[in-house]
Amino acid sequence: EDKVVQSPLSLVVHEGDTVTLNCSYEVTNFRSLLWYKQEKKAPTFLFMLTSSGIEKKSGRLSSILDKKELSSILNITATQTGDSAIYLCAVEAFSDMRFGAGTRLTVKP
Amino acid sequence: NAGVMQNPRHLVRRRGQEARLRCSPMKGHSHVYWYRQLPEEGLKFMVYLQKENIIDESGMPKERFSAEFPKEGPSILRIQQVVRGDSAAYFCASSEDSRTYTFGSGTRLTVV
Repeated sequence: EDKVVQSPLSLVVHEGDTVTLNCSYEVTNFRSLLWYKQEKKAPTFLFMLTSSGIEKKSGRLSSILDKKELSSILNITATQTGDSAIYLCAVEAFSDMRFGAGTRLTVKP
Repeated sequence: NAGVMQNPRHLVRRRGQEARLRCSPMKGHSHVYWYRQLPEEGLKFMVYLQKENIIDESGMPKERFSAEFPKEGPSILRIQQVVRGDSAAYFCASSEDSRTYTFGSGTRLTVV
């Protein structure tokens, strides 16, 4: 059965630290991998990755997909307290979309 | 625990028909959220419900769309008189404490 596994489930860091969040997947007919930031009720779209090895960047956030390893990482550099949230990974297949359980990131001042 | 269950996984409706999408939250979760995903877009919040109450429906179209979460049974997202523009994937998430969310696999609605 298709599945998406995120690690770690929870992470506590201090401001200024760099964090790496992991997402691994097993899906049939992979189409894309998406990262979201969920703070309250609405996830904020971060990245959509379809091609292996191409890094996408947005400010202090970056992400890359490794189709050979069936995984993706989300990096956040120079973390700020405002980065505290749940980071969701979702994998889209042609007729399905699976979410991971999320990584809860807490950034302490 | 089977997680958040959404059914049907795929739904095809003709224009003008009604679509009913069901979401059974995780056991013990009393918060339910509905989202719509349009092609090439992220998730758009529609409505947030707690048992028998609509807490926030700010993302839901004023006409044709309604949602409920009865005391017993799944949450239902109902779309009346569907139009082609309603074609999308609809996701449901549930929460125990409105801090952590578990998502279902979605219902793909196609209006023909």
